[in-house]
Amino acid sequence: DGGITQSPKYLFRKEGQNVTLSCEQNLNHDAMYWYRQDPGQGLRLIYYSQIVNDFQKGDIAEGYSVSREKKESFPLTVTSAQKNPTAFYLCASSKQTGVETQYFGPGTRLLVL
Amino acid sequence: AQSVAQPEDQVNVAEGNPLTVKCTYSVSGNPYLFWYVQYPNRGLQFLLKYITGDNLVKGSYGFEAEFNKSQTSFHLKKPSALVSDSALYFCAVRVLSGGSYIPTFGRGTSLIVHP
Repeated sequence: DGGITQSPKYLFRKEGQNVTLSCEQNLNHDAMYWYRQDPGQGLRLIYYSQIVNDFQKGDIAEGYSVSREKKESFPLTVTSAQKNPTAFYLCASSKQTGVETQYFGPGTRLLVL
Repeated sequence: AQSVAQPEDQVNVAEGNPLTVKCTYSVSGNPYLFWYVQYPNRGLQFLLKYITGDNLVKGSYGFEAEFNKSQTSFHLKKPSALVSDSALYFCAVRVLSGGSYIPTFGRGTSLIVHP
């Protein structure tokens, strides 16, 4: 089956800890995205990547980092600098940025211990 | 500023009645518009999009949307609502950001269909 997967489904972070959220797609899409979802605030773009080894900051990149070493993978690291990380994180992909339909993963819920 | 707005946080409708979820946008150039649906604790699913052509766009699960250029709107509609349509609906428009066109999402509208 073609699709986009995220793991883990739930993730717990301790104070001062960095955690990494996984996102993998087998749709052969060039573009990948990370969004943060908070109640009542919709989806806010953290980072996006249009091609391997290239990525751009979105609206709320502070406290987050990404890498795009492979076309299929776009992991997101939530660093200790992100003081309010509790949220639902969604990864998406599309053939290209702009006009293409985005395909979303099932999401990862990050909670702080 | 380029943006998309969903003016209603929540829409309530009785099963069998028509439903409308509103979306307005502000972009330079041609608007490329999308609707997505999200069920609890799940990712978003694509419903429909407008790129060019007919102003009435038909999508998945019986939904349709009407593009109105003069009113800068792209409202989502369905002639007869089902309880299973209850979900969170997002409108999105592509905006120019850092030299690339990126989808920007509205805050979402919670649709509640009552039996």
